[in-house]
Amino acid sequence: DADVTQTPRNRITKTGKRIMLECSQTKGHDRMYWYRQDPGLGLRLIYYSFDVKDINKGEISDGYSVSRQAQAKFSLSLESAIPNQTALYFCATNPGTSGSRQFFGPGTRLTVL
Amino acid sequence: RKEVEQDPGPFNVPEGATVAFNCTYSNSASQSFFWYRQDCRKEPKLLMSVYSSGNEDGRFTAQLNRASQYISLLIRDSKLSDSATYLCVVNTNGRGNDMRFGAGTRLTVKP
Repeated sequence: DADVTQTPRNRITKTGKRIMLECSQTKGHDRMYWYRQDPGLGLRLIYYSFDVKDINKGEISDGYSVSRQAQAKFSLSLESAIPNQTALYFCATNPGTSGSRQFFGPGTRLTVL
Repeated sequence: RKEVEQDPGPFNVPEGATVAFNCTYSNSASQSFFWYRQDCRKEPKLLMSVYSSGNEDGRFTAQLNRASQYISLLIRDSKLSDSATYLCVVNTNGRGNDMRFGAGTRLTVKP
C-alpha cells in the first residue's frame, strides 16, 4: 500500500535530541495512527486521530507528541529522545467503516544512541 | 495475560507442508479479526480477514471460535515465499483505535 508514506525511513539520533517522523497518505482516510514495534512485542498504539481536530493518546503516549496538520498528514515527535525509544515506527490509516482494517506505511527505523 | 497471544515459533517446515497457527484473545467483546503478514523489517500487510463462518483464500484458511476466543490460520502446501511473521490482530470496538496485535509467529519454509 504505497499510498501511506513515511519519512525518514531510517534515522539515527542522540539522546536528548528532538526528532519528528512524518506520515502522509493519499487514501483519503480520516483516521490515522502511530504505532511502535519492538522485538517480541506486538505493535503498540502511541497516538491516533479521527480527524484534523481530534487527537487521542494511545497506550504508550508518554514521551511522544503528535500533530495532525491536514487530513493527509500526521506527524509524530519525540521531544527529547531516549534510547528506549529505539524501535520501528509505523503510521497507519483506516477508512473507519465497520470491520475495516489498518493500512500501514513502510515504517521508520529509529535508533537513539 | 496479554490481550492477544500467539505462539512465537519459530515454525520451520519443509516446502509442501501444512502448518497451523493459533491465536487467543482475552476480550470477549472483540468484533473483528485479521491475519497480517510481516516480512523482515517491512510493514504488516493484510493476509485475510477472519469471519465467523470461517473463510478460505487459496492455500490459506482462517477460522474463528468465539466461544473459546481463538483464531486460527492454516497454510496448506507451504511455499518458500510464505516465510514471514504472521500477526494476529483483534479489534474490540470497530473504531480502529482499539486494535490489539499479537507479537507474531515466525514461519520459515525450507526447500
